[in-house]
Amino acid sequence: KAGVTQTPRYLIKTRGQQVTLSCSPISGHRSVSWYQQTPGQGLQFLFEYFSETQRNKGNFPGRFSGRQFSNSRSEMNVSTLELGDSALYLCASSLDKNTIYFGEGSWLTVV
Amino acid sequence: EDQVTQSPEALRLQEGESSSLNCSYTVSGLRGLFWYRQDPGKGPEFLFTLYSAGEEKEKERLKATLTKKESFLHITAPKPEDSATYLCAGSPGGATNKLIFGTGTLLAVQP
Repeated sequence: KAGVTQTPRYLIKTRGQQVTLSCSPISGHRSVSWYQQTPGQGLQFLFEYFSETQRNKGNFPGRFSGRQFSNSRSEMNVSTLELGDSALYLCASSLDKNTIYFGEGSWLTVV
Repeated sequence: EDQVTQSPEALRLQEGESSSLNCSYTVSGLRGLFWYRQDPGKGPEFLFTLYSAGEEKEKERLKATLTKKESFLHITAPKPEDSATYLCAGSPGGATNKLIFGTGTLLAVQP
């Protein structure tokens, strides 16, 4: 059974650029969440999508956005990148409320 | 404000030396308390979900317990391969799979 797949795994961007990260959840999972992980702040919730609708949102600026497609795949976008956006971005998928599985993440470096 | 606090930040054990990791939480309407293991450069790996005070779950050398304010992850006779960061997260009530994470305990087991 395939796990949560995130692409790309590594990327380097320049300040001011934008980036799009992709997440394919486990087959059948309709809930997809995104998290930012940094050494200083740990894992912080960005947003959650369920059946193409944003169900919850964390305390991040509007530069961070996301969407979910009808096949449950999700993308997140960060516009006008800042140095502080350098982090590991993790996607998680869930079938129900009992188990939430994470992907390996996308490492973003902003220079 | 919802909060999850883990202690200690780091723990070094000798192989076979049992110990416990602590997770204190204040999460509104806690729906579930999650434990994850994270290896360097990888996404969190799901271990357990606990739902109510008094509940216990076991997996190999790990046992998680839950009270109304805390959760403990007991590691019995650890091996070097148990070395990792252990993350605790609470899921608040409501229609969401949002997780509020602690900052983790970095466990090092020496042979």
